[in-house]
Amino acid sequence: AQSVAQPEDQVNVAEGNPLTVKCTYSVSGNPYLFWYVQYPNRGLQFLLKYITGDNLVKGSYGFEAEFNKSQTSFHLKKPSALVSDSALYFCAVRDRGGNQFYFGTGTSLTVIP
Amino acid sequence: DADVTQTPRNRITKTGKRIMLECSQTKGHDRMYWYRQDPGLGLRLIYYSFDVKDINKGEISDGYSVSRQAQAKFSLSLESAIPNQTALYFCATVAGPMNTEAFFGQGTRLTVV
Repeated sequence: AQSVAQPEDQVNVAEGNPLTVKCTYSVSGNPYLFWYVQYPNRGLQFLLKYITGDNLVKGSYGFEAEFNKSQTSFHLKKPSALVSDSALYFCAVRDRGGNQFYFGTGTSLTVIP
Repeated sequence: DADVTQTPRNRITKTGKRIMLECSQTKGHDRMYWYRQDPGLGLRLIYYSFDVKDINKGEISDGYSVSRQAQAKFSLSLESAIPNQTALYFCATVAGPMNTEAFFGQGTRLTVV
């Protein structure tokens, strides 16, 4: 069965410190990988995606993500967290058949001033 | 104006009532999806459609139905609402190519009392 795991429900980090939000997946083939952010009372907003090529991809708002094929992981990172980064983050994969997205359960990030 | 618009944004309804959630998009995408979001469960796929003549069930379609009235419009109906359908519902659209991301509406918060 296809699945996406975000092992941490909650991540707290001090402002200015680096942050990591973890994601691992179990999807057949070589899926496409995505990160989305959700602010309160808002829809999901696209942050970045991995399709092919360089394992480190850069996205919006200073976020980046590292793809690791052997570990089937796609962790979201940011070198210096901002209070405004506090939100709910979702990892998603899209299989190469392209029909569906599979979402993780979300990680709530709190950046402490 | 938003590219993906959901109406209503909030709705309270009684058990047993029929309710329709509407989604319209201006992105010109063929693929449209309905998801529900519950705390700790992430996003789960209810139905998806690749064109007006193509409707597919997702993982949690029981108790729901959909209608693709046009390329730009995809409605979700609860024929007889029950309290455990209380959730945040999202519509999403995707362009055809396999490596593209989904675009989400702002969500509809539905409460069934």
